[in-house]
Amino acid sequence: GAVVSQHPSRVICKSGTSVKIECRSLDFQATTMFWYRQFPKKSLMLMATSNEGSKATYEQGVEKDKFLINHASLTLSTLTVTSAHPEDSSFYICSAIRDSSYGYTFGSGTRLTVV
Amino acid sequence: ELKVEQNPLFLSMQEGKNYTIYCNYSTTSDRLYWYRQDPGKSLESLFVLLSNGAVKQEGRLMASLDTKARLSTLHITAAVHDLSATYFCAVDMRGTDKLIFGTGTRLQVFP
Repeated sequence: GAVVSQHPSRVICKSGTSVKIECRSLDFQATTMFWYRQFPKKSLMLMATSNEGSKATYEQGVEKDKFLINHASLTLSTLTVTSAHPEDSSFYICSAIRDSSYGYTFGSGTRLTVV
Repeated sequence: ELKVEQNPLFLSMQEGKNYTIYCNYSTTSDRLYWYRQDPGKSLESLFVLLSNGAVKQEGRLMASLDTKARLSTLHITAAVHDLSATYFCAVDMRGTDKLIFGTGTRLQVFP
């Protein structure tokens, strides 16, 4: 199957610090990965599309300087929340496509709490 | 802009009953997905629907797709408590691979 590993699963950080979340495709190469944000009892909101070897494409309203995305290899994308504030607290989920017929595979998610 | 709406948003149903969740989307799309999410967890893939008229079944869940009506349904047959979860449909934006999620339906099955 297609497996996507995401870590950490849970992180608590102080306001003003930065946090890095990793998303790895374990058994396939992913030229494109996606990052989502989910507030409690809400749906998933697409933040950005991460493209291997090029700049990420951000959705409208998502601050690219706040949420830095790097996709340095075909199996790894990272999301760095810079200068985190309590309002950045959320559940962040990554996903990757193996191929169009297989569909999307999701990471296990990261619960970020900024105190 | 692609919009994906589900109804109902919340569904409380008795074990053994049947019910249908609806997913409407606003623009043409080739693929529709259904996912399940348990509290505090990520998404579990349920169905991938790739063409008009597609119907897939797994256990007590059956999903269908009508691309002309831009409508998908998730039918629950003889609900059991283990089906309690939030269910999302998601539609990919044609030509982009972006996946846009529906509003979600929180299902609670009680004895």
